[in-house]
Amino acid sequence: QQQVKQSPQSLIVQKGGISIINCAYENTAFDYFPWYQQFPGKGPALLIAIRPDVSEKKEGRFTISFNKSAKQFSLHIMDSQPGDSATYFCAASTGGSARQLTFGSGTQLTVLP
Amino acid sequence: DAGVTQSPTHLIKTRGQQVTLRCSPKSGHDTVSWYQQALGQGPQFIFQYYEEEERQRGNFPDRFSGHQFPNYSSELNVNALLLGDSALYLCASSLTATQETQYFGPGTRLLVL
Repeated sequence: QQQVKQSPQSLIVQKGGISIINCAYENTAFDYFPWYQQFPGKGPALLIAIRPDVSEKKEGRFTISFNKSAKQFSLHIMDSQPGDSATYFCAASTGGSARQLTFGSGTQLTVLP
Repeated sequence: DAGVTQSPTHLIKTRGQQVTLRCSPKSGHDTVSWYQQALGQGPQFIFQYYEEEERQRGNFPDRFSGHQFPNYSSELNVNALLLGDSALYLCASSLTATQETQYFGPGTRLLVL
């Protein structure tokens, strides 16, 4: 299966709080898991990505946690800021002659000031 | 360094018409992928072009076709437009067809009346 399931659909957190978005997949051939951030009227922007041989990757306030046995991965946004308010998409892709991204359904994050 | 550019930004068509969308990849990138993003959903892969050939295709009908030029820019053509084709059409470029990281353009918003 190619599906990537994302939750929650929407998330509201206070400024300074931690935002957590979760994704699950079925296809064990997926070998690359990026997170994209999308603001209204804009294209998705790559935020951070991980490969399945690593359990965690941190870049600034953003951390991906990866659980290969559970086929789950999550995005943690520490010290959430109002400027982080956007829609976040998890995605996955397989190797081979061409790579296509399979996206989750998105999480609309609102960070209250 | 220019990122991925797309034109036009917005387009309004009527059912049955044909539309052509254009994309210029990021400098140094030779692979272009197209995605359709319906309102409130994650992007869905349409197809990928590399070396002027369609390398991989998602679950889209033959009404969707494309082309890649020697300068790596690409076009997406949609024939016999349906109301359901209304969406944001995103172009993404990558260094090569097997490169994991894809960078998205701002998209073209298509409205079919």
